[in-house]
Amino acid sequence: ETGVTQTPRHLVMGMTNKKSLKCEQHLGHNAMYWYKQSAKKPLELMFVYNFKEQTENNSVPSRFSPECPNSSHLFLHLHTLQPEDSALYLCASSQDRGGGGETQYFGPGTRLLVL
Amino acid sequence: GQNIDQPTEMTATEGAIVQINCTYQTSGFNGLFWYQQHAGEAPTFLSYNVLDGLEEKGRFSSFLSRSKGYSYLLLKELQMKDSASYLCAVMDSNYQLIWGAGTKLIIKP
Repeated sequence: ETGVTQTPRHLVMGMTNKKSLKCEQHLGHNAMYWYKQSAKKPLELMFVYNFKEQTENNSVPSRFSPECPNSSHLFLHLHTLQPEDSALYLCASSQDRGGGGETQYFGPGTRLLVL
Repeated sequence: GQNIDQPTEMTATEGAIVQINCTYQTSGFNGLFWYQQHAGEAPTFLSYNVLDGLEEKGRFSSFLSRSKGYSYLLLKELQMKDSASYLCAVMDSNYQLIWGAGTKLIIKP
């Protein structure tokens, strides 16, 4: 247990569906992240929130829409996804954003399959 | 561009020692991280190096040479539970983590 939880753990959706991924951290951290992990590829940073404000959006397609209502919760809203979006989506948190050596703590991820 | 290189897969024997290398080229350097990720699980933090040299934590050690853009993770007295992927990541000048694709370590009895 890393103190970061994600739901659901597995998700299968059609290209016309709308679904949301949820992340919650119990570590009192101020920064939260969404990553995409595809097989045999490096983790891809998608979004960063610091004190509930989005600080980075790494050219992510608009079919992915993040939401951060408070420092403990992070959502990723999905709509009209493509099969190539199938991947493991990881949420992480760190004490703050922008300091050297800030360790990120990860949730177990949501395994997404788009049909 | 920024790049992190590490071997795709390595095999080692239970009880032995294995060294996983990582080389990097990044825009600035604010430290290097190693994470362990078992299949289907969260990456978990193993070590952080920002100064040159060796950091030891039990059976695991991590080494850094900033001038060479090089790090390694050393695992001693290998156990079957060490079978996992090991991820190398460098924090660049914008404090963003740049990740390698990971090294899958297979431990054989």
